[in-house]
Amino acid sequence: QQKVQQSPESLTVSEGAMASLNCTFSDGTSDNFRWYRQHSGKGLEVLVSIFSDGEKEEGRFTAHLNRASLHVSLHIREPQPSDSAVYLCAMSMANNNNRIFFGDGTQLVVKP
Amino acid sequence: EAAVTQSPRSKVAVTGGKVTLSCHQTNNHDYMYWYRQDTGHGLRLIHYSYVADSTEKGDIPDGYKASRPSQENFSLILELASLSQTAVYFCASSGDINTEVFFGKGTRLTVV
Repeated sequence: QQKVQQSPESLTVSEGAMASLNCTFSDGTSDNFRWYRQHSGKGLEVLVSIFSDGEKEEGRFTAHLNRASLHVSLHIREPQPSDSAVYLCAMSMANNNNRIFFGDGTQLVVKP
Repeated sequence: EAAVTQSPRSKVAVTGGKVTLSCHQTNNHDYMYWYRQDTGHGLRLIHYSYVADSTEKGDIPDGYKASRPSQENFSLILELASLSQTAVYFCASSGDINTEVFFGKGTRLTVV
């Protein structure tokens, strides 16, 4: 079973400073990786989907995938207080009925 | 526009009672999933389905049943609700491995 670990558990940054979140996984055969944002008491908002090693940018959000290192990261450029939320890393595997595995999340606080 | 609709959005149930959570998708997706989220944690997979009239156990299926009577509909059934099943439940649908995953807005279930 795929194990997904996120770090740090919580992160506080100042508005405008880069925020970096990390995710490691146990099975390098995962097919795709997604980062979600979840504001308190709300649903999931997909930020970036990445399928190949390298970098994928969506606005202020950039994901980096390195399958050899079993690592995917999310970098948030110029974070704003409205970006304060829980960020969830998720990955899915075609050879496992497209099952989606989630990490426990990183709580991000952006201070004005 | 692709959509996943969950009902009800919130529910209070009594211990030992039966609860049915419903999910409807208009995305023509083969895969549907039920997750639960406990406060401060990520999403854990309860049951999923990749074809109508068939369901599969996820990582935490105990105490839950699922039903997929059609491609569009996927239900989660708690035959004997327990206090430990108080959580937020999310339904999702997806197509092929590299297509987008769509989540419902969640159902907040409180068992008293």
